[in-house]
Amino acid sequence: ETGVTQTPRHLVMGMTNKKSLKCEQHLGHNAMYWYKQSAKKPLELMFVYSLEERVENNSVPSRFSPECPNSSHLFLHLHTLQPEDSALYLCASSQNRRVDYGYTFGSGTRLTVV
Amino acid sequence: AQTVTQSQPEMSVQEAETVTLSCTYDTSESDYYLFWYKQPPSRQMILVIRQEAYKQQNATENRFSVNFQKAAKSFSLKISDSQLGDAAMYFCAYRSAEGGSEKLVFGKGTKLTVNP
Repeated sequence: ETGVTQTPRHLVMGMTNKKSLKCEQHLGHNAMYWYKQSAKKPLELMFVYSLEERVENNSVPSRFSPECPNSSHLFLHLHTLQPEDSALYLCASSQNRRVDYGYTFGSGTRLTVV
Repeated sequence: AQTVTQSQPEMSVQEAETVTLSCTYDTSESDYYLFWYKQPPSRQMILVIRQEAYKQQNATENRFSVNFQKAAKSFSLKISDSQLGDAAMYFCAYRSAEGGSEKLVFGKGTKLTVNP
């Protein structure tokens, strides 16, 4: 399968649960990103990974924990979330850290925290 | 910090007509890239068009074209011969190199409705 694949597509979790979002790309890209998309707000960059190394963390609360075991996979581990964390979480990849050609996005995980 | 402003939360167009979506940005950089992304109900953001700031020629991709005004920091998207499948959220994005790592900074988006 080509492109960027995110699972699950939908997730409902309680505030005390622990869950993980998965992102996978088979494009040979070296950089991967997590964005949060909330209604009527610009996309918010959460984390940037380049060659499996985290290069940026945009003051994201510790209840969000990223993991990049290799250049094809990216995870976002979630624990003790708040209702305001409900949003669409988008994964993206780029050829390298120079984002001259933009990103390739996945279809996102719609997260609802109850 | 670089910012991207899309002043039209919603726009509508009749099928086969032309519509223009506006985008302005703020930057002190001289070399940068600009993008328009489309997000249909399927949620996947799809790259529509890309512009290199050092190129004066406006980018074109089939029915999609941009009006890039570097001095005015304006980057509008024109959709010609609108089709029902063009209905989506459209996001303008700027490639930022602020802070030492490059990433895309997005506007809030414009919801485009295409009326039959």
